Amino acid sequence: GNSVTQMEGPVTLSEEAFLTINCTYTATGYPSLFWYVQYPGEGLQLLLKATKADDKGSNKGFEATYRKETTSFHLEKGSVQVSDSAVYFCALKTQAGTALIFGKGTTLSVSS
Amino acid sequence: EAGVTQFPSHSVIEKGQTVTLRCDPISGHDNLYWYRRVMGKEIKFLLHFVKESKQDESGMPNNRFLAERTGGTYSTLKVQPAELEDSGVYFCASSQDISYGYTFGSGTRLTVV
Repeated sequence: GNSVTQMEGPVTLSEEAFLTINCTYTATGYPSLFWYVQYPGEGLQLLLKATKADDKGSNKGFEATYRKETTSFHLEKGSVQVSDSAVYFCALKTQAGTALIFGKGTTLSVSS
Repeated sequence: EAGVTQFPSHSVIEKGQTVTLRCDPISGHDNLYWYRRVMGKEIKFLLHFVKESKQDESGMPNNRFLAERTGGTYSTLKVQPAELEDSGVYFCASSQDISYGYTFGSGTRLTVV
């Protein structure tokens, strides 16, 4: 079946460090891929997305590239800030479906 | 525009009691979704409304869960009777056009003791 696997957290970094959160997926066909973020006390917010192979989604300094050959969509940021502390969720939507399929979430904690 | 509103934000109930969660989608959004995150696990799809009709309820865990969307506006999710394993965060999301993505609410944290 369709599924998303993302690295276990928590991830603890110092401000200005490089961030990578790994995400791999299993899906039939050509799914759309997403990263959502949940800041403390808030709802899920779409961070970025990619709808086809080799697309790069980017937003707020975060980037992720849709890699069909490795079925991956790793999230990266060159220099994290304390305000990036949140839970990050990788998700997919199949071509036929309307529901999102999420990974377990990765908690990021950035200290100054 | 106002976002997706969920309430209560937190609810603590005893096993066997009934709880009703409410979601107010963004005005004009025909699509409404319920998701649930049990502690430490994935956020899982529960069901999808298009206006007042249930388009897909394949994720509903059992018949103790009842979702309604009367008039195609707000939606309620009732758990009756609640069990310990129902504890988690329940998210609601809405969209007008799926291709543009979804807007999520802040969630309702349900604790069954």
